[in-house]
Amino acid sequence: DAMVIQNPRYQVTQFGKPVTLSCSQTLNHNVMYWYQQKSSQAPKLLFHYYDKDFNNEADTPDNFQSRRPNTSFCFLDIRSPGLGDAAMYLCATSRGLAGDPHEQYFGPGTRLTVT
Amino acid sequence: QQPVQSPQAVILREGEDAVINCSSSKALYSVHWYRQKHGEAPVFLMILLKGGEQKGHEKISASFNEKKQQSSLYLTASQLSYSGTYFCGTIPSNTGKLIFGQGTTLQVKP
Repeated sequence: DAMVIQNPRYQVTQFGKPVTLSCSQTLNHNVMYWYQQKSSQAPKLLFHYYDKDFNNEADTPDNFQSRRPNTSFCFLDIRSPGLGDAAMYLCATSRGLAGDPHEQYFGPGTRLTVT
Repeated sequence: QQPVQSPQAVILREGEDAVINCSSSKALYSVHWYRQKHGEAPVFLMILLKGGEQKGHEKISASFNEKKQQSSLYLTASQLSYSGTYFCGTIPSNTGKLIFGQGTTLQVKP
């Protein structure tokens, strides 16, 4: 019955080595989000897709990229991970945005460690 | 733009009540409440869409004062399962993006 699935749950990568995190959903929601959450902090929005329209937050580093090849899947690419990128990465989905706000459904997250 | 939550942390005994507040400097379109347990994803509790709206979910309820740009989450007769970090998320009227407060850690003891 999993609705938002993230793989892997734990990822270890080396400093500077590209890494890709994946998210899939069975809800057929048109909006998908990527958040970064560091220890004892609130989730911080990196970017989101409304269908195929990509929206980047102004303060999201260029090191972070995203792809959404279809409705169900979304990927987070970190081109050259630094030690400061170690965090929990949360994927979330919702049915809509501003004019029609709905709850966001979160995946279990991927905990990224950078060595 | 991040909403401010208070208190930062609460320790309760089972059966006690708690109130968590969330305030914003921006006019709000809606307020969301989530609970996150350690090492898990945030779980949606409720959305408040209109000024003055109140909602309830078992013994957890919330209010939204649109004029004051504030929301409060009420937990009554707390249970051990209520432990976790509670986040409010606000959507300012002009952006449509959810911005989370810094969180309030709630610990319920037997």
